[in-house]
Amino acid sequence: GDSVTQMEGPVTLSEEAFLTINCTYTATGYPSLFWYVQYPGEGLQLLLKATKADDKGSNKGFEATYRKETTSFHLEKGSVQVSDSAVYFCALITNQAGTALIFGKGTTLSVSS
Amino acid sequence: GAGVSQSPSNKVTEKGKDVELRCDPISGHTALYWYRQSLGQGLEFLIYFQGNSAPDKSGLPSDRFSAERTGGSVSTLTIQRTQQEDSAVYLCASSLWSSSVTEAFFGQGTRLTVV
Repeated sequence: GDSVTQMEGPVTLSEEAFLTINCTYTATGYPSLFWYVQYPGEGLQLLLKATKADDKGSNKGFEATYRKETTSFHLEKGSVQVSDSAVYFCALITNQAGTALIFGKGTTLSVSS
Repeated sequence: GAGVSQSPSNKVTEKGKDVELRCDPISGHTALYWYRQSLGQGLEFLIYFQGNSAPDKSGLPSDRFSAERTGGSVSTLTIQRTQQEDSAVYLCASSLWSSSVTEAFFGQGTRLTVV
């Protein structure tokens, strides 16, 4: 079945460091890919998405490129801030009615000043 | 409503009791999801409703768990004979299904504690 694999956390970085959180997927068909973020004490919210191969999703300085050849959707940010501390979830949905949104286990990011 | 609403926000129940968790999706959203989030376990898919289709129940962990969606809108997740391992945050999400995939919007969750 469809699945998402994220790098294990927690990831601990200093402010202004470069961030990469790896995400790979297994899916039938051609999925759409998402990164969701959960800030402390808040609900999940969409960070960015990409719906087809080679698309780049971007938001709040974060980017992720849909790589079909490597079945990956790695999240990157050039310079993290303390306010980026959160749990990040990679997710996919196949473009078929009747399929659910599948999430990875989440990666906790902690940024210190 | 403006967003996905879940109630109650917190629920403490005794082991063996039944509980009902409610989700009000965004008006007009045809897809509705339930997930469970346990500490260190990420997001566990439970059940998915899409329009009038039969729900995908493949994620329900046991027959103590059931869910329904009345009139294609409000959904109730019921846990019978609760166990301590059922303690978690239960999240509901909804989305507007179309030929182009749109994002899912999440509620704030119901934190269930079984004592």
